[in-house]
Amino acid sequence: QMLLQESGPGLVRSSETLSLTCSVTGGSISTSKYFWGWVRQTPGKGLEWIGSIYHSGGPEYNPSLKSRVTILVDASKNHFSLTLTSVTAADTAVYYCARHFSRQKRPSALDLWGLGTLVSVS
Amino acid sequence: DIQMTQSPSSLSASVGDRVTITCRASQDIGNYLNWYQKKPGKAPNLIIYDTSILQTGVPSRFSGSGYGTDFTFTIRGLEAEDIATYYCQQDYDSVTFGGGTKVEIK
Repeated sequence: QMLLQESGPGLVRSSETLSLTCSVTGGSISTSKYFWGWVRQTPGKGLEWIGSIYHSGGPEYNPSLKSRVTILVDASKNHFSLTLTSVTAADTAVYYCARHFSRQKRPSALDLWGLGTLVSVS
Repeated sequence: DIQMTQSPSSLSASVGDRVTITCRASQDIGNYLNWYQKKPGKAPNLIIYDTSILQTGVPSRFSGSGYGTDFTFTIRGLEAEDIATYYCQQDYDSVTFGGGTKVEIK
């Protein structure tokens, strides 16, 4: 059974860079079945898609965050990562990594999620 | 960008009631519409994908319908454990979530 687990600092200083990793266990990140994504929920707000990536393809990003976001896959470590630059208090959120079904080589529904990790920007 | 508009933003219903949530897309998304249940402190949980397909293990009291721009999510016989916020999400073009509908017990 595949599991996802986020890891990274819980506190980031304003204007600095947020970096998180999602470790995939119980299966290969290089499978053709899935895409891999990041979603966040800011306090009291809804869900916001950050971006997604295929193991061998280019990432897709939320246009509102695109200038600050990088998502990468490291198949050798079976994990994928999120980098968000120039953070502000508005980036304080619970960050989730998740798995998408792959439909016609595009990300579809998110059927498996990590537990989430709270990142606060001071 | 495709915008997803959910209504209502919150609702209160009694146990056993039928609950209906609507989601409208700003352009035609076919059937590329998914629904999630989100409880506080928990990760979102996929309930329905491709408009009407129930995810494995989800009770049959949940259902979805629609096509194009207008979609409906229904809980037939609300149970106390269904208290949560529900989100629609399109994946026709990139990925966008709706604003959420908070379901409470009356």
